[in-house]
Amino acid sequence: DTGVSQDPRHKITKRGQNVTFRCDPISEHNRLYWYRQTLGQGPEFLTYFQNEAQLEKSRLLSDRFSAERPKGSFSTLEIQRTEQGDSAMYLCASTSPGVTANTGELFFGEGSRLTVL
Amino acid sequence: LAKTTQPISMDSYEGQEVNITCSHNNIATNDYITWYQQFPSQGPRFIIQGYKTKVTNEVASLFIPADRKSSTLSLPRVSLSDTAVYYCLVGLSGSARQLTFGSGTQLTVLP
Repeated sequence: DTGVSQDPRHKITKRGQNVTFRCDPISEHNRLYWYRQTLGQGPEFLTYFQNEAQLEKSRLLSDRFSAERPKGSFSTLEIQRTEQGDSAMYLCASTSPGVTANTGELFFGEGSRLTVL
Repeated sequence: LAKTTQPISMDSYEGQEVNITCSHNNIATNDYITWYQQFPSQGPRFIIQGYKTKVTNEVASLFIPADRKSSTLSLPRVSLSDTAVYYCLVGLSGSARQLTFGSGTQLTVLP
C-alpha cells in the first residue's frame, strides 16, 4: 500500500508521560501536515512541513508539542508531559509538489489515537 | 479566515440524491473549495474539488454559483455506505498552508 502510514494506531499512556507518533507520507509528496481531531469535531491544523522545513505552526501547538521531519521524508510528532486534554486522534496528511497549497487536496493517514489516563 | 458553515446533520434514504450546502462568505479570489468524507476511526478522504461552476467526478458533483459564497456537494443515489461526516474546506490565500475543517455534516443514510 502506498498511502500515508501512521504508527502507532493506538496509544494509551498515563498523564505526564511522553509519547511520539510517526508518519510516513506518500513517497513523492514533499508537503506534510499534522492535524488533531477530538470527538465530534473536525480536524484542527497543528503544523506543516515543506520538505524538512517546518513552515507553519498553529497556536494549538503548545511548547509540549514538537514535530520534526529531519530528512524531508517521515515525520514525528512528540507530546511531552501528556495531559488528559491531549487525548485525541492525531492525523497526518501529505500532498504532492504539483498541488498548490490553496487547492487543499490532502491525502490522510488512518490516524494515531491517543488516550491519556 | 474563510470560515465555512454546514448543516450539522442530514438524513436520507438509500437511492436518493443528497445535496449538502456549505456557506463560505469570505472566500478569497484564489481559494479552491474542497470536500472530504470521513468514516469513524479513519482519516478524511478527498471527494471533489472545484473553483467555479460545476465539477463532476465518478462519486459526486460540486456546484459553485458565480459569487462563490456557497457550494453544494451532490451525491447521486446514496447507499448505506455513504453514511459518514462530510467536510467543506476553503483554502486560505493569506496563509495558504492552513486548511481549516469545520465541524462537518453527519450524513445518515437509512434503508
